[in-house]
Amino acid sequence: AQKVTQAQTEISVVEKEDVTLDCVYETRDTTYYLFWYKQPPSGELVFLIRRNSFDEQNEISGRYSWNFQKSTSSFNFTITASQVVDSAVYFCALSEASDDKIIFGKGTRLHILP
Amino acid sequence: DAMVIQNPRYQVTQFGKPVTLSCSQTLNHNVMYWYQQKSSQAPKLLFHYYDKDFNNEADTPDNFQSRRPNTSFCFLDIRSPGLGDAAMYLCATSRDLTSTDTQYFGPGTRLTVL
Repeated sequence: AQKVTQAQTEISVVEKEDVTLDCVYETRDTTYYLFWYKQPPSGELVFLIRRNSFDEQNEISGRYSWNFQKSTSSFNFTITASQVVDSAVYFCALSEASDDKIIFGKGTRLHILP
Repeated sequence: DAMVIQNPRYQVTQFGKPVTLSCSQTLNHNVMYWYQQKSSQAPKLLFHYYDKDFNNEADTPDNFQSRRPNTSFCFLDIRSPGLGDAAMYLCATSRDLTSTDTQYFGPGTRLTVL
């Protein structure tokens, strides 16, 4: 069975602070894919990143960075110098190579306070 | 330059009155998905089309149907909406199945059932 856990239901930080969103996953497959999506108040799901299980290299994209650690089955997402526009619900998701579904975590609602 | 388009963005219907939601894509992707997302929950997959092949999730109610007349368009038909069907409906596409490719989402249609 596959499962994605986002333990943080809601986080509030003051603008310009750094914030890390946690994601822990469970899978029996050796080949799998991890995703992060952002859902702003307007509702659309915006794709942020896709990482396959064989690529543990951390990634940085502007103020966003992702830390993938297979040893702890985690794929955490950090926003540096947060901005009000970062306020959204962030979903971590998992897909196994043996399946055609994407399983979403329950999401973390992030509030960036001005 | 929207790639996955959903119309309308907001839909109001009456209890029991059939409603159709529309999704179109300019990406020429093979796979189109429909998700239901209720307030503060993760998106839930209803069904998907791989080209013309329809794949229904086991727990999707019979009240929900879908049509894909061509590569670009996919429709979600709710035959007799109930109050519990009020939700955001998200369409997504991927070039191939999620196990090898990323899903890109449209802006969603928020359905209200009176």
